Amino acid sequence: AQKITQTQPGMFVQEKEAVTLDCTYDTSDPSYGLFWYKQPSSGEMIFLIYQGSYDQQNATEGRYSLNFQKARKSANLVISASQLGDSAMYFCAMIPTGTASKLTFGTGTRLQVTL
Amino acid sequence: DAMVIQNPRYQVTQFGKPVTLSCSQTLNHNVMYWYQQKSSQAPKLLFHYYDKDFNNEADTPDNFQSRRPNTSFCFLDIRSPGLGDAAMYLCATSRARGLAGKQETQYFGPGTRLLVL
Repeated sequence: AQKITQTQPGMFVQEKEAVTLDCTYDTSDPSYGLFWYKQPSSGEMIFLIYQGSYDQQNATEGRYSLNFQKARKSANLVISASQLGDSAMYFCAMIPTGTASKLTFGTGTRLQVTL
Repeated sequence: DAMVIQNPRYQVTQFGKPVTLSCSQTLNHNVMYWYQQKSSQAPKLLFHYYDKDFNNEADTPDNFQSRRPNTSFCFLDIRSPGLGDAAMYLCATSRARGLAGKQETQYFGPGTRLLVL
């Protein structure tokens, strides 16, 4: 079974600063995918970034980058130049590759961007 | 833009009165999912369709049913809503399942907030 741990229930960051949201995972599967989603107060889950376990480079998508450390089983999300619109709940999730397992979510981190 | 659409965005129903939530997609994805999300919790998978194959989660109550009449549409039927069924219901799609990596990325709709009176 897979497990995702997000140890930061809430985070504050000042506008224009960078912030790192922590995610560690536990799985015995050799191949898996890691995802980050953003959920604003409106409720929609917005896909941000994907990292495959065998990808050689850390994933980047605009202001989002994933600090993937496979040996430590961590997949932290880095948001650069925070904006007020980044205030939301952020979920880390994973799914083993090549199986019919379901997407396992962490408990989420609520990010508040301040002026 | 290709997307996942959910209607209605807000649904109010009475205790015990059947309700149907709808989801449509223009992504032409093979897999469609229904999640239930309660306040301050992660989404919980109820079931999914891989094409026409229905896959129910073991702990999904019998009160919840689903239909997928074609590739684009999927419905969530709650036969007799209870107060505990009040939640956000999220529909998601993915191109593949059980294959390789990024094709399993799930794209979510805006959700339907269900209130049971």
